[in-house]
Amino acid sequence: GNSVTQMEGPVTLSEEAFLTINCTYTATGYPSLFWYVQYPGEGLQLLLKATKADDKGSNKGFEATYRKETTSFHLEKGSVQVSDSAVYFCALSDDQAGTALIFGKGTTLSVSS
Amino acid sequence: GAVVSQHPSWVICKSGTSVKIECRSLDFQATTMFWYRQFPKQSLMLMATSNEGSKATYEQGVEKDKFLINHASLTLSTLTVTSAHPEDSSFYICSAAQRPGYTFGSGTRLTVV
Repeated sequence: GNSVTQMEGPVTLSEEAFLTINCTYTATGYPSLFWYVQYPGEGLQLLLKATKADDKGSNKGFEATYRKETTSFHLEKGSVQVSDSAVYFCALSDDQAGTALIFGKGTTLSVSS
Repeated sequence: GAVVSQHPSWVICKSGTSVKIECRSLDFQATTMFWYRQFPKQSLMLMATSNEGSKATYEQGVEKDKFLINHASLTLSTLTVTSAHPEDSSFYICSAAQRPGYTFGSGTRLTVV
């Protein structure tokens, strides 16, 4: 079945450091890929998405490129801020009506000043 | 954009009582909604998929008699935790499918004492 694998956390960085959170997936067909962010005590917010191979999703300085050849969707940011501290979830959807998102285990990011 | 309103945001109840959590789509019709449970520092576990006007589909291992889901209208789905016990304490999140993405409620923190 479909699955998502994320790098284990926590990830601890200093402000302005470069961030990469790895995400790979297993899926039949051509899924859509997402990154969600969860701040402490809150629900999930969509960070970015890509619906087909080679698409690049971007938002708030974060980027991720849908790589079909490596089945990956790694999240990157060139210069993190303290306010980026949160849990990041990679997810996929097989785009079939009525099916839920499948999430990775989440990666906790902690940024210090 | 699409908004899903989830209430309450937190609730404390006594063991043996029931708690109802509501999830409303405010500006769109949600034929399908999903209910997730999240344990501390863990990913989201899909509990069930609810479809308007029909019975919910529960994931393996989820007790349908304990977690009652009702999706009586295109804008409202409810999750009732019946005869709650401390082990039911968790963060519950609803999500509505709105192609090509998903919209999440802000979550409900349930504490059973």
